[in-house]
Amino acid sequence: DQQVKQNSPSLSVQEGRISILNCDYTNSMFDYFLWYKKYPAEGPTFLISISSIKDKNEDGRFTVFLNKSAKHLSLHIVPSQPGDSAVYFCAASLGEYTGTASKLTFGTGTRLQVTL
Amino acid sequence: NAGVMQNPRHLVRRRGQEARLRCSPMKGHSHVYWYRQLPEEGLKFMVYLQKENIIDESGMPKERFSAEFPKEGPSILRIQQVVRGDSAAYFCASSPPYSHEQYFGPGTRLTVT
Repeated sequence: DQQVKQNSPSLSVQEGRISILNCDYTNSMFDYFLWYKKYPAEGPTFLISISSIKDKNEDGRFTVFLNKSAKHLSLHIVPSQPGDSAVYFCAASLGEYTGTASKLTFGTGTRLQVTL
Repeated sequence: NAGVMQNPRHLVRRRGQEARLRCSPMKGHSHVYWYRQLPEEGLKFMVYLQKENIIDESGMPKERFSAEFPKEGPSILRIQQVVRGDSAAYFCASSPPYSHEQYFGPGTRLTVT
């Protein structure tokens, strides 16, 4: 039962253009969402997160949008750079408002290739 | 501030041997999580620990796998009598209390021959 889904296994974008990575979830109890970037043979690196009480969070070139009614979130990277080429995972967790940390449920990842 | 540290980075075991994977969380982080990534798959949660306590082990296989986070020292993920299907990358993450943002170590790549 895949509760967090990333339906595009790969994405290719030209340098300087916008990259949009999508993620869908099925569990309406998830209330906190995160994006991680992963290079081969390294651990995931935290990029940006969003609480379910917000619909947008921005940090430099990275913006995450959350549409709770559609159970959908997206990560926008603009402008895309060659160093952004990596696998991107979205993740979801529970318990934002109980103040308890909890496990992350990950999607299967999208491989982003930024071309020159 | 050093990040999450894991050792060894690579571990080769023959079938039936034991594997011990170690994780030292970031300074000030009291929560540790273990995840496993099989080839071509996403990360799957295994266990969540605080010092001397297992909080959530819903992702741990029922047999052969155990985890601890003692009062002193690193967290240990132990796999007894390894089988080929245990070959994977094992990642540890840590977080401070009351935070959902987890910071990952570089992983231990276990190969069972």
